[in-house]
Amino acid sequence: AQSVSQHNHHVILSEAASLELGCNYSYGGTVNLFWYVQYPGQHLQLLLKYFSGDPLVKGIKGFEAEFIKSKFSFNLRKPSVQWSDTAEYFCAVNAYNTDKLIFGTGTRLQVFP
Amino acid sequence: GAVVSQHPSWVICKSGTSVKIECRSLDFQATTMFWYRQFPKQSLMLMATSNEGSKATYEQGVEKDKFLINHASLTLSTLTVTSAHPEDSSFYICSARTKGRAREQFFGPGTRLTVL
Repeated sequence: AQSVSQHNHHVILSEAASLELGCNYSYGGTVNLFWYVQYPGQHLQLLLKYFSGDPLVKGIKGFEAEFIKSKFSFNLRKPSVQWSDTAEYFCAVNAYNTDKLIFGTGTRLQVFP
Repeated sequence: GAVVSQHPSWVICKSGTSVKIECRSLDFQATTMFWYRQFPKQSLMLMATSNEGSKATYEQGVEKDKFLINHASLTLSTLTVTSAHPEDSSFYICSARTKGRAREQFFGPGTRLTVL
């Protein structure tokens, strides 16, 4: 069965620090990969997605993620976080040509001024 | 564009009653809608997938008779929690997808259900 692992459950950073959130998935075939963000009290929003092509994808708000197929990873990065990045971040995957999204357990990011 | 709404945003009910949650795509036609359940500090778990005009496909372990899903139109899906019990208390989130958006799902704000 497919699964998604997010190893960092809770990350605390100061503003301007760099961020990297890990995401690994288990599925041997072609996948589509997503990072979603959930700000406090708000609904899930898409940060970025990878379907094919350049494995380094850029999303909104300065976030980027790199798909490394050999490592089954899709880590999220941001060079300099802001207080407004405080949120819950979810990695998700679906197998190619399917609708079912499998979510990781999420990473809570707290950024202090 | 691509806005999904849910109603109500929160509901409190007595044990044994049924609760209906609506999910609407406001500015696009949703060929497929999804219902998720999110427990506190946990991830979203897919409950079922519904395509307009056909029966929902439930994930393993989800009771079809307890969680009734109807996707009567391209903009509306409903989830009815029948004979709700305290263990059904959770955050229910819907999402919608349209053919032109290649696997991207747009999420609603969620509905907090508390069963007393």
